[in-house]
Amino acid sequence: RKEVEQDPGPFNVPEGATVAFNCTYSNSASQSFFWYRQDCRKEPKLLMSVYSSGNEDGRFTAQLNRASQYISLLIRDSKLSDSATYLCVVVNTGTASKLTFGTGTRLQVTL
Amino acid sequence: EAQVTQNPRYLITVTGKKLTVTCSQNMNHEYMSWYRQDPGLGLRQIYYSMNVEVTDKGDVPEGYKVSRKEKRNFPLILESPSPNQTSLYFCASSLFGRGTDTQYFGPGTRLTVL
Repeated sequence: RKEVEQDPGPFNVPEGATVAFNCTYSNSASQSFFWYRQDCRKEPKLLMSVYSSGNEDGRFTAQLNRASQYISLLIRDSKLSDSATYLCVVVNTGTASKLTFGTGTRLQVTL
Repeated sequence: EAQVTQNPRYLITVTGKKLTVTCSQNMNHEYMSWYRQDPGLGLRQIYYSMNVEVTDKGDVPEGYKVSRKEKRNFPLILESPSPNQTSLYFCASSLFGRGTDTQYFGPGTRLTVL
């Protein structure tokens, strides 16, 4: 089983739609969680952190479910500019924090 | 402007010809790392460095070397490149490498080894 698993998609949604992605992780001791956004062939950029209490930033909401070991990302009122690949990142903190990336979920927002 | 830079951005080379990909950051970050990204495999860490003269292996270090002689620079060295090292490479840095630190990525280096 992969440490971090994501549905690769693509998720094709019309503008204005609400879309949600999930990401599961296997290490129950994982301590920090993030969503990164990656545009085609470009560098990943931090979208938001994920907290147990949930985290909302405008149209984006991230949730963590430790019991079921998954994190989610909800995008409301999708824009064309939201089209990208969304990477789930799980961090296990030790001497040096180890980031484990999911393979990403591709979102395509259409007119 | 705070940034991570990599050079070259694109490189086509032949098997066995030593190459170096440079990485530099201007944010005074202590932690730097190298990743490779391959289709279906996601980003995998090659090496990381907690500070000057402190480096350690990531998940896929075979065939790569690194050095950290200065805080701002973290070059990736391929002594004898092979076709299976054809990939998209990203350098990244963060303040201390803690789980809560934001990782800043360079623009990527697309390497093809023939």
